[in-house]
Amino acid sequence: GQQLNQSPQSMFIQEGEDVSMNCTSSSIFNTWLWYKQDPGEGPVLLIALYKAGELTSNGRLTAQFGITRKDSFLNISASIPSDVGIYFCAGLPGRRALTFGSGTRLQVQP
Amino acid sequence: DVKVTQSSRYLVKRTGEKVFLECVQDMDHENMFWYRQDPGLGLRLIYFSYDVKMKEKGDIPEGYSVSREKKERFSLILESASTNQTSMYLCASSLSPSGGDPYEQYFGPGTRLTVT
Repeated sequence: GQQLNQSPQSMFIQEGEDVSMNCTSSSIFNTWLWYKQDPGEGPVLLIALYKAGELTSNGRLTAQFGITRKDSFLNISASIPSDVGIYFCAGLPGRRALTFGSGTRLQVQP
Repeated sequence: DVKVTQSSRYLVKRTGEKVFLECVQDMDHENMFWYRQDPGLGLRLIYFSYDVKMKEKGDIPEGYSVSREKKERFSLILESASTNQTSMYLCASSLSPSGGDPYEQYFGPGTRLTVT
């Protein structure tokens, strides 16, 4: 199936730092989504992007749908301890179901 | 709030056993999905269903089957569990494209299955 390359695999940062992660694909995606998974829970949607070039914010989170439709990034500003978790990108490759990246594990040192 | 529930949070089964994982959603969603999550591999789609009694294979359907007899319930079946099926299993649901955001999937808390 389709594959998304998500990087970095993990990050360990200090509270207050900004974070950036991204996903790339060799194929065009029509939709990009970013999810966060807290330990022991299922993923929760953070941001959805539906148009190439779209830039969307949700509080301290900002995500962009790449103009080529093959990439997306997520930024978190002024990180706090509750930002800890695994962040997944997901794309819709033209079928009904999403394809997920391998995840970025974020740890925040208070 | 949308709620997706899974029958068990933790499950331990023996090799060769038939295993049923149940998922129920309470928002009348047309689409339901089963994923498995393994470290470093993200979420991989096993099967999905876009209507009652309808199913489609995902990326890794081998060794699994599904059943959707009612709209709110989607079951994942391991016909003969094997150790390589030890994993976290996540169920999700979403609306159809004709009604609301089609791609916002709501996930259950997951079932951690160990096959010994």
